[in-house]
Amino acid sequence: QVQLVQSGAEVKKPGASVKVSCRASGYSFIRNWIHWVRQAPGQGLEWVGIINPDGGITIYGQRFQGRVMLTADTSTSTVYMEVSSLRSEDTAVYYCARDHSRDGVTWWFDPWGLGTLVTVSS
Amino acid sequence: SSELTQDPAVSVALGQTVRITCQGDSLRMYYASWYQQKPGQAPLLVIYDKNSRPSGIPDRFSGSSSGNTASLTITGAQAGDEADYYCFCRDSSVNQWVFGGGTKLTVL
Repeated sequence: QVQLVQSGAEVKKPGASVKVSCRASGYSFIRNWIHWVRQAPGQGLEWVGIINPDGGITIYGQRFQGRVMLTADTSTSTVYMEVSSLRSEDTAVYYCARDHSRDGVTWWFDPWGLGTLVTVSS
Repeated sequence: SSELTQDPAVSVALGQTVRITCQGDSLRMYYASWYQQKPGQAPLLVIYDKNSRPSGIPDRFSGSSSGNTASLTITGAQAGDEADYYCFCRDSSVNQWVFGGGTKLTVL
């Protein structure tokens, strides 16, 4: 079945970087874009960015421009999200999710990874 | 950028019908998708492409859209439907995507 398996929890100090992975299986990796979404403790979902694994085109949320980098490795069917210059407000669960769309009028995510908790603390 | 606005909290009596709404200018151009999230779990797709349900989602969940408002309706709410619900759509003003703020559904 289609699965997205994310890497384990991370604890980082302010100013450091973190790289979270999302390995896809059960479908042709290059067929679907992958989104990243984050959720701070007790807060709602926030869209981070999207990557096309076939060619590496990326689009980032305005809040994440310049501080988040998405990459893809087609040899391992894995997408990576690197967040630099971490601050306490980046403490959150980060999810990857497979993109679906129709005719440029609607988008949806299915499935989602289980999430990776990134804690930023001195 | 555009925003999607949801009521923070909604309640419904067991077995009754509840509508959760999502408002935003982007919804005049694009259809929303809807996600259910229970505590400690990843979000789960419940409605996509305006009013389609993934396999395994009960038919008591339905979606609709009119003007700048998308709606998720649960007909005959069950205790297991208690969760946070989020709408999602492409932003019509910038090349990004956006979530609504979420609605916490309580089943009484």
